[in-house]
Amino acid sequence: QSVLTQPPSVSGAPGQRVTISCTGSSSNIGAPYDVYWYQQLPGTAPKLLIYGNNKRPSGVPDRFSGSKSGTSASLAITGLQAEDEADYYCQSFDNSLSGWVFGGGTKLTVL
Amino acid sequence: EVQLVESGGGLVQPGGSLRLSCAASGFTFTNYWMHWVRQAPGKGLVWVSRINYDGSSTSYADSVKGRFTISRDNAKNTLYLEMNSLRAEDTAVYYCAVSSAPIYWGQGTLVTVSS
Repeated sequence: QSVLTQPPSVSGAPGQRVTISCTGSSSNIGAPYDVYWYQQLPGTAPKLLIYGNNKRPSGVPDRFSGSKSGTSASLAITGLQAEDEADYYCQSFDNSLSGWVFGGGTKLTVL
Repeated sequence: EVQLVESGGGLVQPGGSLRLSCAASGFTFTNYWMHWVRQAPGKGLVWVSRINYDGSSTSYADSVKGRFTISRDNAKNTLYLEMNSLRAEDTAVYYCAVSSAPIYWGQGTLVTVSS
């Protein structure tokens, strides 16, 4: 059972927009600690997509965007492409654990 | 360029021990907290442990508390994870990561606990 809650799966057709939600609590996202988003392809390390709630590292397309409100956050992907098919994880810090917490992951399927 | 390179993984029997290392470069190691995160085969990311700048403060996930010890050598820019009393459920890829903005991760090292 993950501390942050994500939907197990989402799907969309090429070119569409999808969002992935991440729900936490007052000891993590709502504390308020920053939210991070990762993309993970099979057999590879997680790749950071969003840090500081809504900032993109260099090289990450602006099709990926993050937002946060209260104890929840969202990752939006616009102009969906076949290569976006992957697992996506949200992450924050939790002050009761004094460590990072993750969502359980969301599998994105491009139809 | 920030680089984190994990090493020390391998096959170990249940009840055995292993020490992982994470060699850091490309940033001022002493300025940042460091973390270990693991991922069991086919499962999600799970935070394992973290250590502050000088090693005076550490924290652990309940699943490893009392069995794992995180430490750092700031003179060598290296993070460690000492793992004792290993169980089958500790089998995972172990990643080290730096608590910077953005966060950087290593490529991971595989630990397999099996007889």
